[in-house]
Amino acid sequence: EAAVTQSPRSKVAVTGGKVTLSCHQTNNHDYMYWYRQDTGHGLRLIHYSYVADSTEKGDIPDGYKASRPSQENFSLILELASLSQTAVYFCASSDQQNERLFFGHGTKLSVL
Amino acid sequence: GDSVTQTEGLVTLTKGLPVMLNCTYQTTYSPFLFWYVQHLNEAPKLLLKSSTDNKRTEHQGFYATLHKSSSSFHLQKSSVQLSDSALYFCALSTLWTQVVGQLTFGRGTRLQVYA
Repeated sequence: EAAVTQSPRSKVAVTGGKVTLSCHQTNNHDYMYWYRQDTGHGLRLIHYSYVADSTEKGDIPDGYKASRPSQENFSLILELASLSQTAVYFCASSDQQNERLFFGHGTKLSVL
Repeated sequence: GDSVTQTEGLVTLTKGLPVMLNCTYQTTYSPFLFWYVQHLNEAPKLLLKSSTDNKRTEHQGFYATLHKSSSSFHLQKSSVQLSDSALYFCALSTLWTQVVGQLTFGRGTRLQVYA
């Protein structure tokens, strides 16, 4: 079973502050993703990466940056956190065939 | 662009009854459809997937058939259990988006099963 680990599991941040969410996978997957989950909206793709040192914008990238320093690690960065970024964030990975996404347990972010 | 519609936000049932969760999609490309399930405080996990028209796919008692003629991939189970209570997401990729590993998710349907 593929393993994707996110940290922290929950975080409270202040508006205007910087937030970094981390993701680590141990399955040698090329693809990694950051999704945001809001009630009534399902999962929406923020950023993704298919190779180290390169990231791509997803469907809702505004207000977020991503970093992929290695195949195993993928971070999501909120430079200036806002109230509207309160959500649950999921990291996921998949192999090149993209037959299946393996998700982490999520990070619950509350921006106050 | 691509889209997935799940019409029910919440479905409540008594255990032992059948269930169908609706999923329809829109795309101009050849579709790949998925159902993911998320139990409370857990990560979403793949439940079913299909890209073959009119072929039933099954897993853990759940089944779905991709119907390209009606752009549908409804999830069904003949007898729900308490442990089936979870959030169910329908998701879509295409030959185009699959190259870069992108999925489009529906908003999710919460299934609540009562004793």
